[in-house]
Amino acid sequence: DAKTTQPPSMDCAEGRAANLPCNHSTISGNEYVYWYRQIHSQGPQYIIHGLKNNETNEMASLIITEDRKSSTLILPHATLRDTAVYYCIVRVAGPLGGGYQKVTFGIGTKLQVIP
Amino acid sequence: NAGVTQTPKFQVLKTGQSMTLQCAQDMNHEYMSWYRQDPGMGLRLIHYSVGAGITDQGEVPNGYNVSRSTTEDFPLRLLSAAPSQTSVYFCASSRGGFANTGELFFGEGSRLTVL
Repeated sequence: DAKTTQPPSMDCAEGRAANLPCNHSTISGNEYVYWYRQIHSQGPQYIIHGLKNNETNEMASLIITEDRKSSTLILPHATLRDTAVYYCIVRVAGPLGGGYQKVTFGIGTKLQVIP
Repeated sequence: NAGVTQTPKFQVLKTGQSMTLQCAQDMNHEYMSWYRQDPGMGLRLIHYSVGAGITDQGEVPNGYNVSRSTTEDFPLRLLSAAPSQTSVYFCASSRGGFANTGELFFGEGSRLTVL
């Protein structure tokens, strides 16, 4: 699986949009981008994933560039409860997928939402 | 629906002692895995299983044993605890086996200290 690069930390004002970038320049055509977050010391929680189209769910939006070499996770109205470490990973998915056994969770981006 | 349940949540061991971290999931997931998380580092895969009776090593397997006799349970055994195994351990599961297509569901973690 392709490796990802994320900034180690970011701040965001409460109520504003938080835009978390991720570079995955060596991503393959059959690899999806996944985002997870870890609040305090809890277990990581799935947020969203996508292949090449932009995706949105009740938690966030995922914007993937046309060349798929980078993506941005958007939390539209950040709250204090969104303070967490956010992980961007890429993995093969689908019936021929390689599973999570080859996936590396890096150190992620520590997002601090400021009142 | 309990999801992924880990026990114990906290444990203190002396060097050389053995113990088992328990992990159970009630979602009928084929894929289960164990990670460890150390300060300043991401999640590192210890062992994983793609179904009952099938296990394999991850990135950092030394000092740990696993077995998968049922779909629901995936215990992690420390054979002879060492201070280097002081860490937070997370169990995770996902539907599907090798080709799991869904997101990972994590437990709340087990915090182990080896003196």
